[in-house]
Amino acid sequence: AQSVAQPEDQVNVAEGNPLTVKCTYSVSGNPYLFWYVQYPNRGLQFLLKYITGDNLVKGSYGFEAEFNKSQTSFHLKKPSALVSDSALYFCAVRASGGYNKLIFGAGTRLAVHP
Amino acid sequence: NAGVTQTPKFQVLKTGQSMTLQCAQDMNHNSMYWYRQDPGMGLRLIYYSASEGTTDKGEVPNGYNVSRLNKREFSLRLESAAPSQTSVYFCASTLLGQGFTDTQYFGPGTRLTVL
Repeated sequence: AQSVAQPEDQVNVAEGNPLTVKCTYSVSGNPYLFWYVQYPNRGLQFLLKYITGDNLVKGSYGFEAEFNKSQTSFHLKKPSALVSDSALYFCAVRASGGYNKLIFGAGTRLAVHP
Repeated sequence: NAGVTQTPKFQVLKTGQSMTLQCAQDMNHNSMYWYRQDPGMGLRLIYYSASEGTTDKGEVPNGYNVSRLNKREFSLRLESAAPSQTSVYFCASTLLGQGFTDTQYFGPGTRLTVL
């Protein structure tokens, strides 16, 4: 079965510290992986994606993600967190069967404290 | 470019009432999607339209219908609303096809409450 797991409901980090938001996936074939961010009362904004190539993907707002095929993971990272990074983060994988249907994780709330 | 727009932003219905959620995109995308977002469950696909004139069921289609009115517009209809349909609804679009990178772009959402 295809699925995405975000094992942490919430991640707390102090401003200026590095942050990691975890994601693991299960999908047949080569995975297409995405990270989206949702600010309060807003729609989802695209952050970055992995299609193929380098395992370290750089995205918007200083975020990056590391694809690890052996661990079936795609963790989101940022070297130095900002209070403004506080939001809900979703990992997604493209489902097999075409048409770019996405399977989303449950989301991880990131709280960055001053 | 407005991107993906949705109307209304908020709606309260009584059980059994009907309504249509509207979505439009101005990015010349060919594929459009409707999702619902519920706490602790992420987003789940309700219906999608791979191209103008086609629609298909997603993961949770029961209780919903859709219409791909033209290339720009994709509406979601609740014929007889139920409290279980209380949710936030998101529309998304993408340019689907060989050579395209298939990133989906999302609207701001419609917050629906069914009493």
